[in-house]
Amino acid sequence: SQQGEEDPQALSIQEGENATMNCSYKTSINNLQWYRQNSGRGLVHLILIRSNEREKHSGRLRVTLDTSKKSSSLLITASRAADTASYFCATDTGGGADGLTFGKGTHLIIQP
Amino acid sequence: NAGVTQTPKFQVLKTGQSMTLQCAQDMNHNSMYWYRQDPGMGLRLIYYSASEGTTDKGEVPNGYNVSRLNKREFSLRLESAAPSQTSVYFCASSLFGVNTEAFFGQGTRLTVV
Repeated sequence: SQQGEEDPQALSIQEGENATMNCSYKTSINNLQWYRQNSGRGLVHLILIRSNEREKHSGRLRVTLDTSKKSSSLLITASRAADTASYFCATDTGGGADGLTFGKGTHLIIQP
Repeated sequence: NAGVTQTPKFQVLKTGQSMTLQCAQDMNHNSMYWYRQDPGMGLRLIYYSASEGTTDKGEVPNGYNVSRLNKREFSLRLESAAPSQTSVYFCASSLFGVNTEAFFGQGTRLTVV
């Protein structure tokens, strides 16, 4: 079953603009992670945010987590063509080691 | 730095054939995972191994078996391939379960005809 659901499913913006993607989930989590997948490639980890954290930054990435609303957002600032990819949120199910549950992803296209 | 290595990258099977997907990591990670990715479905967990010597079913284990051969290697076997198993398969590893970041292989694109 899908725990996380990303919104929007697809997003197209101009290079230099900011891109925001949202993720909603259903059950309590210990942490939430964001991954990027370039076409035909494996997933690459971007950020892990724990349930007791509200915001986290990594370079041009900013992730927020609102556990009361069971939602997270990923902001990419000053987008570049190389940011074109699919972005997935992933949550643990609280069991500790039993794998991540992924959403269906947001496909981001950066127009030059 | 190899990270997570999967073989093969591509495979075409006939219905009923068997095959084993190989995965190895060189990061001394304890936990390893097999996911499948289908169009519009995101990634779904097939099996996982929390640590060497243990394996457990994930969300979609039917039709698959796994072996954690040692700390480095985690293989996925399809005993009798079916067209519904056409998918892209990803192996991943993490240091300690889902509370640490996962590293993914490049994937195996499997087609069952």
